Amino acid sequence: NAGVTQTPKFRVLKTGQSMTLLCAQDMNHEYMYWYRQDPGMGLRLIHYSVGEGTTAKGEVPDGYNVSRLKKQNFLLGLESAAPSQTSVYFCASSSDRGSGPQHFGDGTRLSIL
Amino acid sequence: RKEVEQDPGPFNVPEGATVAFNCTYSNSASQSFFWYRQDCRKEPKLLMSVYSSGNEDGRFTAQLNRASQYISLLIRDSKLSDSATYLCVATRNSGYALNFGKGTSLLVTP
Repeated sequence: NAGVTQTPKFRVLKTGQSMTLLCAQDMNHEYMYWYRQDPGMGLRLIHYSVGEGTTAKGEVPDGYNVSRLKKQNFLLGLESAAPSQTSVYFCASSSDRGSGPQHFGDGTRLSIL
Repeated sequence: RKEVEQDPGPFNVPEGATVAFNCTYSNSASQSFFWYRQDCRKEPKLLMSVYSSGNEDGRFTAQLNRASQYISLLIRDSKLSDSATYLCVATRNSGYALNFGKGTSLLVTP
């Protein structure tokens, strides 16, 4: 039972570099989400998707792009990484219309120098 | 105003004690509510859903008060393993996502 899998688990980038975080779920869930979690800030929604081929902005979308080309995958891209994007990133998925419980991956710890 | 607000704690309680957390939510249209548990540097995990009539799961009891827009979690007979951060969650305005509180930290001591 893989559930929600995030890759990579850890990454260190230099300012200005780009990278893509991958989230894969094997539960056939329609809804997928990307969050970031910073000390004292709680979980903040970056982008989300309500189905294959669709994406929408959350509360902190600036500096990030996403794609949902396949139902099981949700990619989060940083085009030009900034130190302010140092964070722990969590992906989650849900089978219900956003109102159901979400299942989380174990996170990607990203440091930008 | 934050959509979901919680007392960050920490709550330090001895083993066996009963502890209660409350949180308030601002969106009166929220339909679904949850409590999640998050261990240090780990992902949030669903603890329990919160139903209007109140619900219980073993030592854990959740209550919802729609009139006052608050949610509570009661933990009875605390265990050392209950030490974690507890996140209060309510649905967003859009209905497509959830609002997470910043969490309440619990430390259960021997």
